[in-house]
Amino acid sequence: NAGVTQTPKFQVLKTGQSMTLQCAQDMNHEYMSWYRQDPGMGLRLIHYSVGAGITDQGEVPNGYNVSRSTTEDFPLRLLSAAPSQTSVYFCASSAGQGFGYTFGSGTRLTVV
Amino acid sequence: AQSVTQLGSHVSVSEGALVLLRCNYSSSVPPYLFWYVQYPNQGLQLLLKYTSAATLVKGINGFEAEFKKSETSFHLTKPSAHMSDAAEYFCAVRRRNYQLIWGAGTKLIIKP
Repeated sequence: NAGVTQTPKFQVLKTGQSMTLQCAQDMNHEYMSWYRQDPGMGLRLIHYSVGAGITDQGEVPNGYNVSRSTTEDFPLRLLSAAPSQTSVYFCASSAGQGFGYTFGSGTRLTVV
Repeated sequence: AQSVTQLGSHVSVSEGALVLLRCNYSSSVPPYLFWYVQYPNQGLQLLLKYTSAATLVKGINGFEAEFKKSETSFHLTKPSAHMSDAAEYFCAVRRRNYQLIWGAGTKLIIKP
């Protein structure tokens, strides 16, 4: 099993550009989430999904959009990149409430 | 409101010494609690989880944690530290919407 696959691993964007961070899992997990990790702030939830067609906002959703058309894929879209969105982004999936989350290896994004 | 507090942003121990990483939580529902480890430039990996079964939970790499309801604690321990344990450790508690609330993390430093 590949687990959770994130692409790209690294990305540099100019302010105002848009892009999509890809996330795919092959474990048939219903729950998927996007986090950002910044030094000294732990992980903060951006958006999450409890199944195909269902998404909801987390703690820091502004500037990001998500969709969940299939169980496997959960892309994160940056609408108009800002330097404040420079961060490491992690996608994670889970089989349910009693299970832990499986994390991808992350995307390191720099906005200049 | 649910929250997670990890005492100490950095903990330093000598190789072979006891490792103790502290986590206190607040939760309005019976808690599911998790410890994750993050090695440099990698994603997060599940170490262990508490889901209301045994209060002493054993995880990977020789780590274990004890759930103490009266103290609202879920401290992580390992009897003898190894150089390979150097990493950042995160405690997390499940929310009602199945998402996780994260502590700020504790960096474990192992001295030779």
